[in-house]
Amino acid sequence: DAGVIQSPRHEVTEMGQEVTLRCKPISGHDYLFWYRQTMMRGLELLIYFNNNVPIDDSGMPEDRFSAKMPNASFSTLKIQPSEPRDSAVYFCASSLSLTQYFGPGTRLTVL
Amino acid sequence: AQSVSQHNHHVILSEAASLELGCNYSYGGTVNLFWYVQYPGQHLQLLLKYFSGDPLVKGIKGFEAEFIKSKFSFNLRKPSVQWSDTAEYFCAVNGGSSNTGKLIFGQGTTLQVKP
Repeated sequence: DAGVIQSPRHEVTEMGQEVTLRCKPISGHDYLFWYRQTMMRGLELLIYFNNNVPIDDSGMPEDRFSAKMPNASFSTLKIQPSEPRDSAVYFCASSLSLTQYFGPGTRLTVL
Repeated sequence: AQSVSQHNHHVILSEAASLELGCNYSYGGTVNLFWYVQYPGQHLQLLLKYFSGDPLVKGIKGFEAEFIKSKFSFNLRKPSVQWSDTAEYFCAVNGGSSNTGKLIFGQGTTLQVKP
């Protein structure tokens, strides 16, 4: 299996622009998680899905953030409009039977 | 609410030294425990996990961890570290009767191994 796939790996954008991060989970996994990692705040869980249904989005920082999972093999995290404080590494992870497997992450820089 | 505490924030060791990283969790029921490692610039990778059975769990790269239920602890150990073990280490726990699949992560411990 190819593991969790994320795209893009790096994104540089200007404040106010819309950013869309993509994730393809491991086939057969029923949970999908979005995390954000920064030096200041560490690893934060933003939202997670079970069988494509959002279960807990309490970690989503603001209404500017939204996430979807239209099918079992694809999820997006969107930031609109983006701000410099959104600069971070965004990880997607998927799991089956509790063990989470992380993707390589998207390093987002908002200028 | 569940929580995970990693007492050592930054550990510096010389090569060949022994390692023990502390992890304590707060949850009284059945728990599933994990250690993840994040090498510089990379993503989190699973080192080892405990679900049930033998409380001494062996993982990859010579790491092991011991689950001590009475102490709510799951400490990570390695008898002899290498420079390549320089990384950040995260302890995580999942517990509860309503298994949500969600992991609670500790704040991480940065390990620096000097050659």
